[in-house]
Amino acid sequence: AQTVTQSQPEMSVQEAETVTLSCTYDTSENNYYLFWYKQPPSRQMILVIRQEAYKQQNATENRFSVNFQKAAKSFSLKISDSQLGDTAMYFCAFMKLVPSDMRFGAGTRLTVKP
Amino acid sequence: KAGVTQTPRYLIKTRGQQVTLSCSPISGHRSVSWYQQTPGQGLQFLFEYFSETQRNKGNFPGRFSGRQFSNSRSEMNVSTLELGDSALYLCASSSGGPEDTQYFGPGTRLTVL
Repeated sequence: AQTVTQSQPEMSVQEAETVTLSCTYDTSENNYYLFWYKQPPSRQMILVIRQEAYKQQNATENRFSVNFQKAAKSFSLKISDSQLGDTAMYFCAFMKLVPSDMRFGAGTRLTVKP
Repeated sequence: KAGVTQTPRYLIKTRGQQVTLSCSPISGHRSVSWYQQTPGQGLQFLFEYFSETQRNKGNFPGRFSGRQFSNSRSEMNVSTLELGDSALYLCASSSGGPEDTQYFGPGTRLTVL
C-alpha cells in the first residue's frame, strides 16, 4: 500500500521569504504521479503543482517548485516570495496509475506572516 | 467552464439516518472520485466512478455507496449514519485518464448528531 508522510504539521514564514514543505512517500510502483494541493481556510482544494515520476526534471509553476528525488521517495515543495494568500493547508498526494486512486498526506498548515 | 459543484454544502443528520450527497463534475469530465476529510484521519479515498461504473474503491464499510449517472453527475449515499461519519466530503472530477488532474469541489460538510 502507498503511504504519504508530511512530517511538518505546521510551518510559518515571513512574507516575501522562501519556505520548503517536506513530503516522503512509500511505493513499489515505478510509474506514478505526485501532487501538491492547497486548501485555504474554508475554501476548496486547488492544485498547486504536479510531477510525473518518469520525468527527471523538477516541475515549476511560477513561485512554486518541487524537488523530486525518486530514489529517496521525496517530493518537497518550495514556495518563493511567499504571499499572504499562500496561507493554507498544503497536502502532498500520490497517485498510481492503475487503479488511479489518490493517497494524501496529513497536511502541513502554512501561515504566511506580514 | 464551471467548476465542480457539490450539494448541499452543509447537512445535519442524526444517528441512524441516511444521507445522499451530490456532485456535478466539470463539463466533459467522466470520472468522479469521492473523499472523506476528517481532522483525525485526514483525506481518505472512498471510491471512483467512470462512465457510470465504479472503477476503484477505498477501504470503507458497505454503508458508503455511490453511483454515477449518464451525465456524469454522481451521488454518494451513507446509510445508518454514525457519529464518526461527521466529515467534509469532497468530490473531484477528471477526464478519466490516470494522467489527468483531479479538480475538487467545495465539499459537503456533514454533521451527525
